[in-house]
Amino acid sequence: KNQVEQSPQSLIILEGKNCTLQCNYTVSPFSNLRWYKQDTGRGPVSLTIMTFSENTKSNGRYTATLDADTKQSSLHITASQLSDSASYICVVSDRGSTLGRLYFGRGTQLTVWP
Amino acid sequence: EADIYQTPRYLVIGTGKKITLECSQTMGHDKMYWYQQDPGMELHLIHYSYGVNSTEKGDLSSESTVSRIRTEHFPLTLESARPSHTSQYLCASSDASGVYNEQFFGPGTRLTVL
Repeated sequence: KNQVEQSPQSLIILEGKNCTLQCNYTVSPFSNLRWYKQDTGRGPVSLTIMTFSENTKSNGRYTATLDADTKQSSLHITASQLSDSASYICVVSDRGSTLGRLYFGRGTQLTVWP
Repeated sequence: EADIYQTPRYLVIGTGKKITLECSQTMGHDKMYWYQQDPGMELHLIHYSYGVNSTEKGDLSSESTVSRIRTEHFPLTLESARPSHTSQYLCASSDASGVYNEQFFGPGTRLTVL
C-alpha cells in the first residue's frame, strides 16, 4: 500500500533555532517528492520538489534531502522565524499513471515561539 | 503566488441546502483537482479533470459533483448538504506538460454544515 508517514506530528521550537522534519514513504514507482508549507486556513504552497536523481535541494532557509534507497526525506529549517509556524506536508508522486497521483502525509505542525 | 482562486473562503449553511464552491485559475492549466481535508489529516482527492468536458472521481468517495465547461473554471456542487460534509475543500491545478506535474493550490473553502 502506498503511504507517506511524517514525524514528528507536532513540534515547538524557539525563534532562531534549527529543526528537521522527517518523511518516510512506500510509494512505488516513485516519480518525485515535494515538501509543501500550509499556513492555517490556506492552501499548501510548494517549497521544494526532488526527483529520483536529486538528493538535496534548497529554497532559502529550507533544505530538503532525499534518500531514494531508504525511501526517506527530511526538511531542515535554519534560523527559524515566527512566520515559519505552519504545517509542513510531505507529498510523493508516482509515475504509474498519467494523472501523476499524489500521496500526502498528514503533516508536521511547527510552532515557532518568540 | 499561483493564480488560482476559490470562493467563498468560508461558508456556514443549514442541512439540505444546495451549494456550489467556485474554483478558477488563470494559468491555462489543463488538469484541475478537488481535495477534501479535515483538521490534522491528509488531503484526499475527491475529483479531478484532464480538461474541458473531462471529470473523474478521486480516491475518496464524495457525494459532490463537478463540471468542467471552461478550462479555467472547475466548480464543485453539493445538491443537499449534510453535517458530514463539513470540511475544508481545496482546489488545485497543474500544467499537463510540466516535468514535475506540480500542483498549485487555491486558498481553500472552509465549509460548515449545521
